[in-house]
Amino acid sequence: SQQGEEDPQALSIQEGENATMNCSYKTSINNLQWYRQNSGRGLVHLILIRSNEREKHSGRLRVTLDTSKKSSSLLITASRAADTASYFCATVAQGGSEKLVFGKGTKLTVNP
Amino acid sequence: SQTIHQWPATLVQPVGSPLSLECTVEGTSNPNLYWYRQAAGRGLQLLFYSVGIGQISSEVPQNLSASRPQDRQFILSSKKLLLSDSGFYLCAWTAGISEKLFFGSGTQLSVL
Repeated sequence: SQQGEEDPQALSIQEGENATMNCSYKTSINNLQWYRQNSGRGLVHLILIRSNEREKHSGRLRVTLDTSKKSSSLLITASRAADTASYFCATVAQGGSEKLVFGKGTKLTVNP
Repeated sequence: SQTIHQWPATLVQPVGSPLSLECTVEGTSNPNLYWYRQAAGRGLQLLFYSVGIGQISSEVPQNLSASRPQDRQFILSSKKLLLSDSGFYLCAWTAGISEKLFFGSGTQLSVL
């Protein structure tokens, strides 16, 4: 069964606006990761946040993690048309699992 | 640097025909290897993963099988394809437990 669930399923914004995507998961985790997928391509890793971290930044990306609520958010600031893609969260269950389980993704469209 | 190769990029196969998708990783040793499938507009479903030669863990019982004949080679197979096997197949590797995944470019399989 899928561990992470992204919300919303689809998001359409204008260039320059911020985009926020949320991820909820069910079990205790070791870390949570965000990936990006352009249409018809493989996924690209964006950022990894460990269970003992609350916030992490990478360029225009900001990820937060709330383990008490079992949720994470990905914020893309000052969005660009090139940010148009699907974004997925993925979790690694606590206990040293080798499995990375993905959610269904949020499809982000940034309109020029 | 490490690279992952996955081929073919596109495949159209009749129902009942066999399947062999190959994935190889270069520039690293003893990677964890993964096969995911993505239905159109959906999230990723973990099919198989491997932590070493000959070691295969199956996540979803179905018409597919996987093998790891060499350290950096991962093969996805089927003896007889079904219509429901259509999808976008992604191979990925990671250096260790709980680390980020590196994905191949994917194979779009259409079973007709």
